[in-house]
This record gives sequence, C-alpha cells and structure tokens, in this order.
Amino acid sequence: EVQLVQSGAEVKKPGESLKISCKGSGYSFTSYWIGWVRQMPGKGLEWMGIIYPGDSDTRYSPSFQGQVTISADKSISTAYLQWSSLKASDTAMYYCARRSQLWLLGAFDIWGQGTMVTVSS
Amino acid sequence: QSALTQPASVSGSPGQSITISCTGTSSDVGGYNYVSWYQQHPGKAPKLMIYDVSNRPSGVSNRFSGSKSGNTASLTISGLQAEDEADYYCSSYTSSSTLEVFGGGTKLTVL
Repeated sequence: EVQLVQSGAEVKKPGESLKISCKGSGYSFTSYWIGWVRQMPGKGLEWMGIIYPGDSDTRYSPSFQGQVTISADKSISTAYLQWSSLKASDTAMYYCARRSQLWLLGAFDIWGQGTMVTVSS
Repeated sequence: QSALTQPASVSGSPGQSITISCTGTSSDVGGYNYVSWYQQHPGKAPKLMIYDVSNRPSGVSNRFSGSKSGNTASLTISGLQAEDEADYYCSSYTSSSTLEVFGGGTKLTVL
C-alpha cells in the first residue's frame, strides 16, 4: 500500500525549533516529488513548497521562503518540514503529499494524515 | 486572499447536480491544464478527486467530473449523495514564483 505517515502532534512555545516528518512507503520514494501544505484552524489549504527526494531539489512558495526549511533523507524515505523559531501564527495542521506523476507539476494523489502543530506560550 | 476564487458555499438536494467554480487568470487556470480538485471531510486529509482538469483517479466515482473554460475551472457532482458533503478545493499551477495555488475552498451542503 502506498502511504505517507507523518509524525505526531506537537505543542511548542514561541521561539522554539521544530522538525516534523513524513515517511513514505509502498513506492519508490526517490522518484516522486513530495509537497507540504498548511491548513490553519478553520481555514483553507496553502501550498508551502515541494522537494524531490532523489536529489533534494526544493522549491518554496514566496510566502514560506525563509520561514521554513524542507528537506529529505532518501535513505529512510522521509521528508521533513522544520522551523528554527516558531511563532504563534505557525499554529496549523501540516500535510505532506505526493505528486501523482513523476514530475514537478500536477496533482497530489497521496496525502499524509497531517501533523497538528500548536505554538503557545 | 486566495489566488483562485471559489464560492464559499453551495448546496443541493440528494440526487441533484451541483457545480463548483474556480476562477483564476491566464497565468494559472487559463494558461495550463494542471487544475486539480480535492475533497476534504472534517478532520480528514484532502483526497484527490480530479487531476489535469478533467481526469479522475482510479477509485473516484464517475459522478465527479471536471472541466475548464477560459480562466474558470469547474467541478460538477451529479447524483448528489449525503457522503459528498465536504469542503472542496481547486488548485492550479501558476507561472508566478508561487508555482502552485489553491482556491479558498467551497463548503458543499447536501440538504
């Protein structure tokens, strides 16, 4: 079964760092782009960025460039989203998702279950 | 403000058909055939319903169909069922530096 399994919910304080993960299985992890999508409480989906695990080629939405870092470790089929200094406004559900085809553009056909990040003092 | 414009809500009775629009520009929806539609039930991850404007992934009911005219893409659901009640999001490739944008989402209510 093709699936993406994300790490569990996190509760952090402003200023703390965080790295959440997304582990792929059931397919060639290095062949498909993996994207990250934010959903703030009660709001819509926002495209954050995307990485190609095969060579770590990464693209960011300008809204998130410099605010987060997307990375991948192909040896363990895992993509990451990290923050160096969290803000309360980072409170949201974060989804990873796999491109449906073997190129940068297109749809996300497989989604992780989401990781809820809560930032509060 | 989302780059793609969707109606906030639509509703229909069981068995009816509804259409959700997704309006962009020639830099996104109108210029490329990389429009996708996602269904999201409360507390769940989004699910791909339509890709590349009008293609259905394996396992998605043929009651769901997609189309595009100019800068507006549309998702049509025929034979509405209670289980179709959910939020629906469109997305598109964009030639801007953003690369991809989502619509603001549409809440579908089955009366």
